[in-house]
Amino acid sequence: AQSVSQHNHHVILSEAASLELGCNYSYGGTVNLFWYVQYPGQHLQLLLKYFSGDPLVKGIKGFEAEFIKSKFSFNLRKPSVQWSDTAEYFCAVITNNNDMRFGAGTRLTVKP
Amino acid sequence: GAGVSQTPSNKVTEKGKYVELRCDPISGHTALYWYRQSLGQGPEFLIYFQGTGAADDSGLPNDRFFAVRPEGSVSTLKIQRTERGDSAVYLCASSSGAGGPADTQYFGPGTRLTVL
Repeated sequence: AQSVSQHNHHVILSEAASLELGCNYSYGGTVNLFWYVQYPGQHLQLLLKYFSGDPLVKGIKGFEAEFIKSKFSFNLRKPSVQWSDTAEYFCAVITNNNDMRFGAGTRLTVKP
Repeated sequence: GAGVSQTPSNKVTEKGKYVELRCDPISGHTALYWYRQSLGQGPEFLIYFQGTGAADDSGLPNDRFFAVRPEGSVSTLKIQRTERGDSAVYLCASSSGAGGPADTQYFGPGTRLTVL
């Protein structure tokens, strides 16, 4: 069965630091990849997604992610984080059957 | 409506009782999903509707859980004989259904279910 691994449970950074959150998945077929974010007290919302084309995907709020097929990875990056980026981040994979699998999430705390 | 809505926002029940959780998707969205999120975990897929029919119910944990979407809009998740292990946040999401798996899913605020 497909699964999604997020390597970091909790990441603490200072403002202006660079961010990279790891995500690996285990599925050999065609995948669609997503990063969702949940700000404190808010709904899950989409940051960015990859379904075809350029493996470097740009999302909202300066986030980007790179799909590396050979490594089964879809890491999320941001060059300079802000205090307002404090949230929980979820990587997700969906295949042809519309069954979306989420990772366990990474909690990001940005210190002002 | 402007987004996905779910009612109630919180539900406390006793072990063995029956509960219903409601989801109102974004108007016009044909695809609807239910997930369950336990503390410290990511959402876990339960069931996916395309229109009125359950296209994939492989995530339902057992036969105490079932969901309906009789008119292709509002959906109800029903849990019989609740157990303490059913305590979680139940999330609903909808998507346009036009793009298949690549569609963006829009999530509701969830219903926090507590089984005492």
